[in-house]
Amino acid sequence: EPEVTQTPSHQVTQMGQEVILRCVPISNHLYFYWYRQILGQKVEFLVSFYNNEISEKSEIFDDQFSVERPDGSNFTLKIRSTKLEDSAMYFCASRWAPSTDTQYFGPGTRLTVL
Amino acid sequence: AQSVAQPEDQVNVAEGNPLTVKCTYSVSGNPYLFWYVQYPNRGLQFLLKYITGDNLVKGSYGFEAEFNKSQTSFHLKKPSALVSDSALYFCAVRDLSKTGANNLFFGTGTRLTVIP
Repeated sequence: EPEVTQTPSHQVTQMGQEVILRCVPISNHLYFYWYRQILGQKVEFLVSFYNNEISEKSEIFDDQFSVERPDGSNFTLKIRSTKLEDSAMYFCASRWAPSTDTQYFGPGTRLTVL
Repeated sequence: AQSVAQPEDQVNVAEGNPLTVKCTYSVSGNPYLFWYVQYPNRGLQFLLKYITGDNLVKGSYGFEAEFNKSQTSFHLKKPSALVSDSALYFCAVRDLSKTGANNLFFGTGTRLTVIP
């Protein structure tokens, strides 16, 4: 069964450093998402991406964040200058088309900012 | 505004007993409702969804959920709990009246513990 994959599984970084979280969505999916889950809290929407542009973003997704689909398979989330409060589990999700509304999630990347 | 409430942080149930994990929602239009499960150190796994039609939705691993429009609820149920069902369960909603990329709004999660 196809699945969303994410790398790395755990990323440790120093405050102020840039990090790139990588995702490979399910191959025929067209809509891509990033969510995050701060430890012990709910899963929160960050951004959605379709047709090579951001479709929607939350207030969390400020100028420090960016997303990119650099090739036909990868979908990346970049945090330019990490803060302590960026420490969280980051989930990538993908969805096929408007008629299929299930988002399939990857296993997550745990980001720890020291 | 869209929101989901899961009133119980923790649900304990004995193995073999029926289980219910509660969820209520608030949307301005018609809801798409989802249940996801998260096992330790794993991502979110899709269990089931309600879009339209029959109010009782059947999903993976013997789970089902009942959509109740008058009570704005979408409780997750299983007739006989297994120890392996112990996990964190998230309810999520998408508002059909909103066009766009259809992001989900999640509840805070309910930790289900099935006691052998």
